[in-house]
Amino acid sequence: EDKVVQSPLSLVVHEGDTVTLNCSYEVTNFRSLLWYKQEKKAPTFLFMLTSSGIEKKSGRLSSILDKKELFSILNITATQTGDSAVYLCAVEAGYGGATNKLIFGTGTLLAVQP
Amino acid sequence: NAGVTQTPKFRILKIGQSMTLQCAQDMNHNYMYWYRQDPGMGLKLIYYSVGAGITDKGEVPNGYNVSRSTTEDFPLRLELAAPSQTSVYFCASSLKYRVSGETQYFGPGTRLLVL
Repeated sequence: EDKVVQSPLSLVVHEGDTVTLNCSYEVTNFRSLLWYKQEKKAPTFLFMLTSSGIEKKSGRLSSILDKKELFSILNITATQTGDSAVYLCAVEAGYGGATNKLIFGTGTLLAVQP
Repeated sequence: NAGVTQTPKFRILKIGQSMTLQCAQDMNHNYMYWYRQDPGMGLKLIYYSVGAGITDKGEVPNGYNVSRSTTEDFPLRLELAAPSQTSVYFCASSLKYRVSGETQYFGPGTRLLVL
């Protein structure tokens, strides 16, 4: 059965700290791995990773994928209170049909205290 | 573009009632999806559609039905609401199923409470 596991489940840090969120997966027909930030409503897209070892970066956020070890990390440096959210990892898997599907992890709840 | 819109935003149902969650997108996307998100959990795929007239089951389809008569609309129907269907429902759409940098665009969600 395909699965995506995120750790830790929750994390409390202070502003300015650096955090690393983990996502491991067991998926057949892997296509890509995506990170989303979910505040109070719908998830918003952060990164899409398809190749091992190539870091994607956006401001203070960065992410990298290891397809050999089947995991990805999301780093946030110099955290701010606005980074408080649930971070979702999803793996896109191909099932041979007309569409791929996203398999989501349960998310990591990050709380950044002032 | 409005993107992906969902109505209603919030609804309370009694056990056994039925309702339709509406979803529409104005981006001319072929692919549309319905997810549910239970508290503290990730999203689980209920149904998806690859184009008008074509739908298929996802991970958790029991208790739901969908239709796709137009490219724009993808309603989700609950026939006999049960407390286990209390959840937040997200509709999403995408242009193609696999394009580098492509992603699914999510609607704002419908919060459903079944009592």
